[in-house]
Amino acid sequence: AQSVTQLDSQVPVFEEAPVELRCNYSSSVSVYLFWYVQYPNQGLQLLLKYLSGSTLVKGINGFEAEFNKSQTSFHLRKPSVHISDTAEYFCAVSLPVPGGGNKLTFGTGTQLKVEL
Amino acid sequence: GAVVSQHPSRVICKSGTSVKIECRSLDFQATTMFWYRQFPKKSLMLMATSNEGSKATYEQGVEKDKFLINHASLTLSTLTVTSAHPEDSSFYICSARLKREKYNEQFFGPGTRLTVL
Repeated sequence: AQSVTQLDSQVPVFEEAPVELRCNYSSSVSVYLFWYVQYPNQGLQLLLKYLSGSTLVKGINGFEAEFNKSQTSFHLRKPSVHISDTAEYFCAVSLPVPGGGNKLTFGTGTQLKVEL
Repeated sequence: GAVVSQHPSRVICKSGTSVKIECRSLDFQATTMFWYRQFPKKSLMLMATSNEGSKATYEQGVEKDKFLINHASLTLSTLTVTSAHPEDSSFYICSARLKREKYNEQFFGPGTRLTVL
């Protein structure tokens, strides 16, 4: 069985400070990993993805994430946050399912709150 | 590119009525679309996978007769909530996957807020 764990439900941080949002997954096969951001009453926007290759992935809005296979983690980082980064962040893993195709499973989300 | 739209963005209806939500891929063809439900401060729950020209595949616990899904073309999928009740009130989000895309990267619509009175 596969699962995605986001350890922190809320992360408060001051503006211009660095932030790390944690994501761990469990899987016995190769995975594809995604981070999405959701602003209030909106859909999900892709921040970045890891499909293969370099384990350090850079995304939009200054975010990056590192795929660590040995620790089964895909933590999201930003060196200096802005008020506009306040949003809900979801980690997701894509795995094949019986019968063909892939299924995307989401973590429970982390609310990032940037304060002045 | 890869824009997905949903209509309406919000809808309020009376209990017992049916509501149709449209999901469109605007600038690409999507053989597969997905429908999710999101409760307040909760993650997304996959309801069903919709493949163009075939019946949708529903997740366990999702009533197929209550949530009717139609994927008539490569750019349009619809979700109809039949005989809606207050417990169906939620945020419904669709997503679409590019044709022949194997990683399951999905592009999400802006969501539809359904309120059943």
